Amino acid sequence: ILNVEQSPQSLHVQEGDSTNFTCSFPSSNFYALHWYRWETAKSPEALFVMTLNGDEKKKGRISATLNTKEGYSYLYIKGSQPEDSATYLCARADSNYQLIWGAGTKLIIKP
Amino acid sequence: DAGITQSPRHKVTETGTPVTLRCHQTENHRYMYWYRQDPGHGLRLIHYSYGVKDTDKGEVSDGYSVSRSKTEDFLLTLESATSSQTSVYFCAISESRGGINEKLFFGSGTQLSVL
Repeated sequence: ILNVEQSPQSLHVQEGDSTNFTCSFPSSNFYALHWYRWETAKSPEALFVMTLNGDEKKKGRISATLNTKEGYSYLYIKGSQPEDSATYLCARADSNYQLIWGAGTKLIIKP
Repeated sequence: DAGITQSPRHKVTETGTPVTLRCHQTENHRYMYWYRQDPGHGLRLIHYSYGVKDTDKGEVSDGYSVSRSKTEDFLLTLESATSSQTSVYFCAISESRGGINEKLFFGSGTQLSVL
Protein backbone atom coordinates (compact mmCIF):
# COMPACT_ATOMS: atom_id res chain seq x y z
CA ILE A 1 0.00 0.00 0.00
CA LEU A 2 1.43 3.33 -1.11
CA ASN A 3 1.31 6.27 1.25
CA VAL A 4 -0.62 9.50 0.96
CA GLU A 5 1.05 12.29 2.89
CA GLN A 6 -0.57 15.49 4.10
CA SER A 7 1.27 18.57 5.32
CA PRO A 8 1.30 20.25 7.64
CA GLN A 9 -0.23 18.04 10.33
CA SER A 10 -1.79 21.08 11.96
CA LEU A 11 -2.11 24.74 11.19
CA HIS A 12 -3.19 27.81 13.16
CA VAL A 13 -4.47 30.67 11.01
CA GLN A 14 -5.78 34.08 11.96
CA GLU A 15 -9.38 34.76 11.00
CA GLY A 16 -9.49 36.54 7.66
CA ASP A 17 -6.16 35.19 6.45
CA SER A 18 -5.87 32.82 3.50
CA THR A 19 -4.13 29.49 3.79
CA ASN A 20 -3.28 26.36 1.87
CA PHE A 21 -2.06 22.85 2.53
CA THR A 22 -0.78 19.90 0.57
CA CYS A 23 -1.66 16.32 -0.23
CA SER A 24 1.18 14.28 -1.79
CA PHE A 25 0.62 10.89 -3.36
CA PRO A 26 2.22 8.33 -5.66
CA SER A 27 1.59 9.37 -9.26
CA SER A 28 1.55 5.84 -10.72
CA ASN A 29 -1.82 4.16 -11.37
CA PHE A 30 -3.61 7.34 -10.34
CA TYR A 31 -7.36 7.50 -10.84
CA ALA A 32 -8.85 10.19 -8.58
CA LEU A 33 -8.10 12.48 -5.66
CA HIS A 34 -10.68 13.23 -2.98
CA TRP A 35 -10.81 16.04 -0.42
CA TYR A 36 -13.05 15.86 2.67
CA ARG A 37 -13.71 18.16 5.59
CA TRP A 38 -14.15 16.55 9.00
CA GLU A 39 -15.47 18.68 11.84
CA THR A 40 -15.13 17.34 15.36
CA ALA A 41 -18.04 15.07 16.39
CA LYS A 42 -19.44 15.11 12.85
CA SER A 43 -19.16 12.97 9.71
CA PRO A 44 -16.44 13.59 7.12
CA GLU A 45 -18.04 15.52 4.28
CA ALA A 46 -16.85 15.51 0.67
CA LEU A 47 -15.47 18.73 -0.79
CA PHE A 48 -14.05 17.69 -4.14
CA VAL A 49 -13.28 14.70 -6.32
CA MET A 50 -10.74 15.40 -9.05
CA THR A 51 -9.51 13.09 -11.78
CA LEU A 52 -7.65 15.05 -14.45
CA ASN A 53 -4.21 16.60 -14.33
CA GLY A 54 -4.64 20.35 -14.03
CA ASP A 55 -8.14 20.05 -12.55
CA GLU A 56 -9.26 22.97 -10.43
CA LYS A 57 -12.38 22.87 -8.30
CA LYS A 58 -14.01 25.61 -6.26
CA LYS A 59 -16.71 25.66 -3.60
CA GLY A 60 -17.27 29.08 -2.07
CA ARG A 61 -14.00 30.20 -0.46
CA ILE A 62 -12.39 26.79 -0.83
CA SER A 63 -10.59 25.62 -3.95
CA ALA A 64 -8.30 22.77 -4.92
CA THR A 65 -5.81 22.02 -7.67
CA LEU A 66 -4.41 18.73 -8.90
CA ASN A 67 -1.07 17.76 -10.42
CA THR A 68 -1.13 14.05 -11.22
CA LYS A 69 2.26 14.00 -12.95
CA GLU A 70 4.17 15.14 -9.88
CA GLY A 71 1.69 13.67 -7.40
CA TYR A 72 0.28 16.54 -5.37
CA SER A 73 -2.89 18.49 -4.71
CA TYR A 74 -3.30 21.82 -2.94
CA LEU A 75 -6.34 22.92 -0.96
CA TYR A 76 -6.77 26.69 -0.60
CA ILE A 77 -9.03 28.56 1.80
CA LYS A 78 -9.52 32.25 1.14
CA GLY A 79 -10.40 34.59 4.00
CA SER A 80 -10.55 31.92 6.74
CA GLN A 81 -13.58 31.93 9.03
CA PRO A 82 -14.09 30.16 12.38
CA GLU A 83 -16.40 27.65 10.72
CA ASP A 84 -13.48 26.50 8.56
CA SER A 85 -11.88 24.93 11.64
CA ALA A 86 -11.78 21.22 10.87
CA THR A 87 -9.52 18.39 9.80
CA TYR A 88 -9.09 18.22 6.04
CA LEU A 89 -8.57 14.73 4.64
CA CYS A 90 -7.38 13.72 1.22
CA ALA A 91 -7.55 10.28 -0.36
CA ARG A 92 -6.10 8.87 -3.55
CA ALA A 93 -7.92 6.30 -5.64
CA ASP A 94 -5.94 4.04 -7.93
CA SER A 95 -6.96 1.95 -10.93
CA ASN A 96 -7.38 -1.09 -8.64
CA TYR A 97 -10.20 0.73 -6.81
CA GLN A 98 -8.10 1.21 -3.68
CA LEU A 99 -8.79 4.45 -1.82
CA ILE A 100 -5.82 5.35 0.39
CA TRP A 101 -6.22 8.15 2.93
CA GLY A 102 -3.83 10.70 4.33
CA ALA A 103 -3.75 11.40 8.08
CA GLY A 104 -5.24 14.86 7.61
CA THR A 105 -4.36 18.50 8.23
CA LYS A 106 -6.01 19.97 11.33
CA LEU A 107 -6.89 23.61 10.72
CA ILE A 108 -7.60 25.93 13.65
CA ILE A 109 -8.86 29.43 12.95
CA LYS A 110 -8.00 31.99 15.63
CA PRO A 111 -10.51 34.82 16.06
CA ASP B 1 -27.42 14.82 4.61
CA ALA B 2 -27.14 11.28 3.34
CA GLY B 3 -29.29 8.87 5.33
CA ILE B 4 -26.65 6.87 7.18
CA THR B 5 -27.13 5.85 10.78
CA GLN B 6 -24.52 4.13 12.89
CA SER B 7 -25.31 2.44 16.16
CA PRO B 8 -24.28 2.55 18.88
CA ARG B 9 -22.58 5.97 18.91
CA HIS B 10 -20.45 5.00 21.88
CA LYS B 11 -19.53 1.60 23.28
CA VAL B 12 -17.30 0.48 26.12
CA THR B 13 -16.57 -3.21 26.33
CA GLU B 14 -14.15 -5.64 27.88
CA THR B 15 -11.35 -7.55 26.22
CA GLY B 16 -12.49 -10.87 24.81
CA THR B 17 -16.16 -9.99 24.35
CA PRO B 18 -17.84 -9.93 20.95
CA VAL B 19 -19.11 -6.57 19.70
CA THR B 20 -21.36 -5.75 16.76
CA LEU B 21 -21.65 -2.32 15.17
CA ARG B 22 -24.49 -1.51 12.83
CA CYS B 23 -24.69 0.74 9.80
CA HIS B 24 -28.05 1.50 8.24
CA GLN B 25 -28.56 3.48 5.02
CA THR B 26 -31.66 4.80 3.32
CA GLU B 27 -29.95 5.81 0.06
CA ASN B 28 -30.06 2.40 -1.64
CA HIS B 29 -26.35 2.69 -2.48
CA ARG B 30 -24.72 -0.52 -3.60
CA TYR B 31 -21.37 -0.14 -1.83
CA MET B 32 -20.88 0.06 1.91
CA TYR B 33 -17.62 0.29 3.84
CA TRP B 34 -16.29 0.04 7.36
CA TYR B 35 -13.28 2.17 8.24
CA ARG B 36 -11.39 2.73 11.44
CA GLN B 37 -9.77 6.05 12.30
CA ASP B 38 -6.85 6.25 14.73
CA PRO B 39 -4.79 9.31 15.70
CA GLY B 40 -1.92 9.89 13.29
CA HIS B 41 -3.37 7.51 10.73
CA GLY B 42 -5.58 8.00 7.75
CA LEU B 43 -8.86 6.17 7.52
CA ARG B 44 -8.14 2.47 7.07
CA LEU B 45 -10.53 0.14 5.32
CA ILE B 46 -11.63 -2.90 7.32
CA HIS B 47 -14.18 -4.54 5.02
CA TYR B 48 -16.49 -3.45 2.28
CA SER B 49 -19.60 -4.78 0.57
CA TYR B 50 -20.66 -4.54 -3.05
CA GLY B 51 -24.09 -6.06 -2.65
CA VAL B 52 -26.24 -8.27 -0.47
CA LYS B 53 -24.07 -11.11 0.84
CA ASP B 54 -21.12 -9.83 -1.24
CA THR B 55 -18.24 -8.65 0.93
CA ASP B 56 -14.47 -8.39 0.72
CA LYS B 57 -11.55 -7.63 3.00
CA GLY B 58 -9.79 -4.33 3.35
CA GLU B 59 -6.29 -3.60 4.57
CA VAL B 60 -6.97 -4.18 8.30
CA SER B 61 -9.51 -7.00 8.34
CA ASP B 62 -7.92 -9.33 10.92
CA GLY B 63 -10.17 -9.77 13.95
CA TYR B 64 -13.24 -8.38 12.16
CA SER B 65 -16.09 -9.95 10.23
CA VAL B 66 -19.01 -8.39 8.38
CA SER B 67 -22.40 -9.32 7.10
CA ARG B 68 -24.88 -7.75 4.73
CA SER B 69 -28.20 -9.54 4.59
CA LYS B 70 -30.12 -6.51 3.30
CA THR B 71 -29.12 -3.64 1.04
CA GLU B 72 -29.61 -1.14 3.82
CA ASP B 73 -27.72 -2.85 6.65
CA PHE B 74 -24.01 -3.60 7.04
CA LEU B 75 -22.84 -5.12 10.31
CA LEU B 76 -19.30 -5.14 11.65
CA THR B 77 -18.44 -7.73 14.29
CA LEU B 78 -15.36 -7.83 16.47
CA GLU B 79 -15.26 -11.50 17.27
CA SER B 80 -13.18 -11.15 20.45
CA ALA B 81 -12.43 -7.52 21.16
CA THR B 82 -8.86 -6.48 21.97
CA SER B 83 -7.48 -3.18 23.24
CA SER B 84 -5.88 -2.55 19.83
CA GLN B 85 -9.39 -2.34 18.40
CA THR B 86 -10.14 0.75 20.48
CA SER B 87 -10.88 3.26 17.73
CA VAL B 88 -13.47 5.38 15.98
CA TYR B 89 -15.34 3.33 13.42
CA PHE B 90 -16.94 4.97 10.40
CA CYS B 91 -19.41 3.50 7.97
CA ALA B 92 -19.50 4.95 4.46
CA ILE B 93 -21.54 4.37 1.33
CA SER B 94 -21.12 5.07 -2.37
CA GLU B 95 -22.78 4.29 -5.63
CA SER B 96 -19.58 3.20 -7.40
CA ARG B 97 -16.82 0.97 -6.10
CA GLY B 98 -14.35 2.69 -3.81
CA GLY B 99 -16.00 5.99 -4.55
CA ILE B 100 -13.48 6.13 -7.36
CA ASN B 101 -14.77 9.18 -9.15
CA GLU B 102 -17.60 10.10 -6.89
CA LYS B 103 -17.71 10.96 -3.26
CA LEU B 104 -18.28 8.77 -0.24
CA PHE B 105 -20.98 9.58 2.30
CA PHE B 106 -20.09 8.90 5.91
CA GLY B 107 -22.00 8.06 9.05
CA SER B 108 -21.36 9.88 12.32
CA GLY B 109 -18.98 7.28 13.68
CA THR B 110 -18.90 4.91 16.63
CA GLN B 111 -16.40 5.48 19.43
CA LEU B 112 -15.40 2.03 20.71
CA SER B 113 -13.30 1.56 23.81
CA VAL B 114 -12.01 -1.90 24.70
CA LEU B 115 -10.80 -2.12 28.30
